[in-house]
Amino acid sequence: DVQMTQSPSNLAASPGESVSINCKASKSISKYLAWYQQKPGKANKLLIYSGSTLQSGTPSRFSGSGSGTDFTLTIRNLEPEDFGLYYCQQHNEYPFTFGSGTKLEIK
Amino acid sequence: EVKLVESGGGLVQPGSPLKLSCAASGFTFSSNWLNWIRQAPGKGLEWVASINPDGSSTYYPDTVKGRFVVSKDNAKNTRYLQMNNLRSEDTAMYYCARRGTGIPVFDYWGQGVMVTVSS
Repeated sequence: DVQMTQSPSNLAASPGESVSINCKASKSISKYLAWYQQKPGKANKLLIYSGSTLQSGTPSRFSGSGSGTDFTLTIRNLEPEDFGLYYCQQHNEYPFTFGSGTKLEIK
Repeated sequence: EVKLVESGGGLVQPGSPLKLSCAASGFTFSSNWLNWIRQAPGKGLEWVASINPDGSSTYYPDTVKGRFVVSKDNAKNTRYLQMNNLRSEDTAMYYCARRGTGIPVFDYWGQGVMVTVSS
């Protein structure tokens, strides 16, 4: 199985700042990585797939980069609604596997 | 509007079965894969099952293979997760999530249903 190592586990930032979340796969997954946002009381939200393709409705302040084993989610100019949990997921092969999550909190 | 609603969760004893349902509206399952993903309390996400649109292909991770079965009822636009021989480590929030049309990942998720396995 492909192990996904996500870092950092926790991140604190202020509105207007930029942050980056990293995800490393235990073997090459080509470009096939997705990012999701999780917030209490809301359905999980797909942000980005295939490494850098923004899902319809995802604000342009979100961007994804990387290929092979190393990927990054960058959020520029943080908005209050961006705070929450973020997960990466490889969609290159079964079993699909997720990173352990990054909690983005308001500083 | 695409919507997924899970039901059927609850408290069960170890070794018991339980069947979850995922009802869809705003689209038909005959066009999309359906996946089940779970999240143990305070933990991360774990994919547990996938079924293709016509039900001819299903996939499971080793952690549930042989115990969990995903099935369909196209007439009701519903998918099911039959969970057998439940263990305490199966305690989790269970989500159903659609694989998008032309989008190879989970583009819509339900709100989840809680399953607790405890004596």
